[in-house]
Amino acid sequence: AQSVTQLDSQVPVFEEAPVELRCNYSSSVSVYLFWYVQYPNQGLQLLLKYLSGSTLVKGINGFEAEFNKSQTSFHLRKPSVHISDTAEYFCAVSSYTGTASKLTFGTGTRLQVTL
Amino acid sequence: GAVVSQHPSWVICKSGTSVKIECRSLDFQATTMFWYRQFPKQSLMLMATSNEGSKATYEQGVEKDKFLINHASLTLSTLTVTSAHPEDSSFYICSAGRTGRSYNEQFFGPGTRLTVL
Repeated sequence: AQSVTQLDSQVPVFEEAPVELRCNYSSSVSVYLFWYVQYPNQGLQLLLKYLSGSTLVKGINGFEAEFNKSQTSFHLRKPSVHISDTAEYFCAVSSYTGTASKLTFGTGTRLQVTL
Repeated sequence: GAVVSQHPSWVICKSGTSVKIECRSLDFQATTMFWYRQFPKQSLMLMATSNEGSKATYEQGVEKDKFLINHASLTLSTLTVTSAHPEDSSFYICSAGRTGRSYNEQFFGPGTRLTVL
C-alpha cells in the first residue's frame, strides 16, 4: 500500500516571494512521484514528475521539486510566485503495476498568492 | 499532444435519472482509463480502472451497479451514474493512460460537474 501526506492544507504567500509545498509519501516498493495543479472547476495539469535519475526535477511554470528517498519527501518549490499560481496543488505517488499505474493523491494544498 | 476531453462539462439532473459522462483521448490510444470523484475542496478518489475490451476494476466501496463503466474503444470510456441521487453530486474526472517506456502516464480530462436535484 502507498500513501501521500500533504501537511499544509493552505499556504498563503505574497507575490514574488518563494514558496515550498510539502509532500511526504510511504510505500513498500519503488515509486514514481508527481505534482499536479488544479485551477477552479478544471482537471489536473501535470507540473512535474520524478521517475528516476536526478533527484532535482524541474517542471513547468518555474516549479521544481526534489526527491529525497531517505526522508521519503518530494517537496515542491518556486523561487518567486505570481498571482496566477493561485490554485490547488496535489502530490501523487504511483507504483508500476504492469499496464496500469494507479495514482494515489494527497489531500491537496491550496496556494493563495496575494499582492 | 495527449489531450483528454470529457462531455458534458456540467450536467444537472433530477433524482432517479441516469447520467452518462464520456471520456475521450483525442490524439492517442488509451488501453486504460481511470475515473475519479472529487468532493468540494477534497482530493481525488479513484473510483475504477477501465480497460479496453474488458470489465472495469472498481475500488473498494464503489458500487459497480451504480457507476457503470464501459470502455468500448481505445479512445472512449463512459461512466453512467444510474438512478442518481443528490449524494452523487460531485466533480467527476477521468484520465487516460498512455504507455511509456517504463510507466503508464495519466492525462486528465477537464472534469464533469454533476448536480442531482
